[in-house]
Amino acid sequence: HVQLQESGPGLLKPSQTLSLTCAVSGVSLSSSTYYWTWIRQPAGKGLEWIGRIFTSGTATYNPSLKSRVTISVHTSKNQVSLELSSVTAADTAVYYCAREASYSGTNDYWGQGTLVTASS
Amino acid sequence: DIVMTQSPDSLAVSLGERATINCKSSQTVLYSSNNKNYLAWYQHKPGQPPKLLIYWASTRQFGVPDRFSGSGSGSDFTLTISSLQAEDVAVYYCQQYYNTPFTFGQGTKLEIK
Repeated sequence: HVQLQESGPGLLKPSQTLSLTCAVSGVSLSSSTYYWTWIRQPAGKGLEWIGRIFTSGTATYNPSLKSRVTISVHTSKNQVSLELSSVTAADTAVYYCAREASYSGTNDYWGQGTLVTASS
Repeated sequence: DIVMTQSPDSLAVSLGERATINCKSSQTVLYSSNNKNYLAWYQHKPGQPPKLLIYWASTRQFGVPDRFSGSGSGSDFTLTISSLQAEDVAVYYCQQYYNTPFTFGQGTKLEIK
């Protein structure tokens, strides 16, 4: 059974770098052929697609965040990571990692999400 | 970016009645080479991650009750819940996965009347 679990600091100061990890279990990143996606939801707002990475390491980012975001895959740890630099209050959100299903291109497995707050 | 617009923003329906949510994309999400609409529907309840309901506009994800159905093609789509149950109270999102960045509608909040 595939499970994803996000972790990382819940509170950041403006201008700092957000760093989150998504621990994946139930499937080996080194042997799978999926995309792994980060999506966020600011409080009271809708869902925003941040970007995705293939298990080969090829990443695609939302142009609205591209200059600040890096998604990486760490096959030895079976983890996917997200870094977002120079955060502001606008980056305060629940951050989700999710698997993109190979058969449909949609997100079939999700982590529970982690709240990150950027505040001075 | 493809802009997804849902209507209505909120909806109150009596238990057992039909609920209908619409989604319109700013450009087609129908890929002509395979005749598939790159459109999905998610259900999002408070404190939980979104749950995939429908993909390819009309294919139910494994385990999703058959009271949920999706229809439409091109740029106009509909999610229908044929007989509303109490556990269906949630926010529903459409998403296009035709082009990156994949984009979501603003969400439709479904409540019990």
